[in-house]
This record gives sequence, structure tokens and C-alpha cells, in this order.
Amino acid sequence: DVQMTQSPSTLSASVGDRVTITCRASQSVGKWVAWYHQKPGKAPKLLIFKASSLESGVPSRFSGSGSGTEFTLTITGLQTEDFGFYYCQQYDPYSPELTFGGGTRVEIK
Amino acid sequence: QVQLVESGGGVVQPGGSLRLSCAASGFDFNTYSVHWVRQAPGKGLEWVAVISSDGRNRYYLDSGKGRFTISRDNFKNTMSLHMESLTAEDTATYFCVRSHLPFDYFDFWGQGTLVTVSS
Repeated sequence: DVQMTQSPSTLSASVGDRVTITCRASQSVGKWVAWYHQKPGKAPKLLIFKASSLESGVPSRFSGSGSGTEFTLTITGLQTEDFGFYYCQQYDPYSPELTFGGGTRVEIK
Repeated sequence: QVQLVESGGGVVQPGGSLRLSCAASGFDFNTYSVHWVRQAPGKGLEWVAVISSDGRNRYYLDSGKGRFTISRDNFKNTMSLHMESLTAEDTATYFCVRSHLPFDYFDFWGQGTLVTVSS
């Protein structure tokens, strides 16, 4: 199975900062990676699909990049509503299971 | 608007069974694959199972094979997960989620239903 290793596990940043979260796949997954944001007690919300495509309605301060085994989610100009957890997910059609990264907790200083 | 509403969660004893349901509305249910994704208390996300739009293809997390059965009714716009031989490790909030294909990203999530396996 494809393992997704996400880093850092926690980060603290100030409003307006540029924040980067990384996800590394144990084998190549092409561009089949999505990113989600989850606030406590709520369901996750899709931000990015196919590594770099922005979901409709998601603010443009969110961007994704990468391919193969290395992927990044960048928030350019962190806002107070961006606190919570972020998860990457691989959906390689040749993988027998769908897998998530362990998550990154984003705290606002 | 798009809605996925889960039900059926609760407290069950170790070794017991439970059936979760998901009611869909606001979109063409029979054109989407639907999944269960779970989240243990304070933990990350874990995909559990998927059923394709026509119900012909089903895939499961390794630890769920032989214990979990996913099904759907495209006339009633519902999907279910029957779980057997439950253990404490199955304790989690279970989310009903949709995608365009069985192996795909998740573009809409329900609010989840909590399953607690405890004696």
C-alpha cells in the first residue's frame, strides 16, 4: 500500500504568513493527490485535487504543487479561519487502497 | 443542495455488529461512487470502503475485508455499511463521502456518525 508521510505534524504561524505543508508518498502516485482542511468537530473540506487544481469556491491563497512522490500545500497569506488540520490523500487508481497523510495541525499565533 | 446524512451510529459491544446508513440528496446519486471514511477520536482520517456508482465494484480497507459489507440502493438514494466482529479499533466517527470514481478524491462529505465499541 502507498504510505503518505506528512510534515510537519504541527505548525504555528501568524496571520499573513506563508505556510507550506509537505506530503511524501512511499511510491510514485503521479499527480493523484488531494488536500483537505478540517476544523474541529467538522467534516473535512476539499481544497486541492490532482496535486494543483483548486476546488471551486476555495480561496486563491491555497495552492498545491508536486508530482511523483513529493507534494506541497501552500497557504499564501494565512488567515484566522485557516486554523485546524490539513490532510493529504493519494488516489492512485493502481493502488488497492486510498490513503491519507497523518495530518498537520495549523495554529494561529 | 448536496447532502449526505449518516445514521446508525451508537455504542456496541466488542464482537457485535452494526449497520450504518447514508441518505443522499441534491445530486444524481447514481452517477457517483460513495465511500466510508473514518476518524478515531483525536486521530487522522482512514478510508474504509467504496462502492461504485452502479454497485458492481466494491473495495475495502484490508482490516475490513470479511467483516464489512458496503451496499447501495440507487432507487432510494441510500448507501449502507454492515460491520461485524467489531473491536475497539473500529471506534470512530464514520463519514459518508462521494467521489466521481471509486479511486478518486472526495468532493463532498457528510457530517459523520459516531461508532463506539465498548463493553
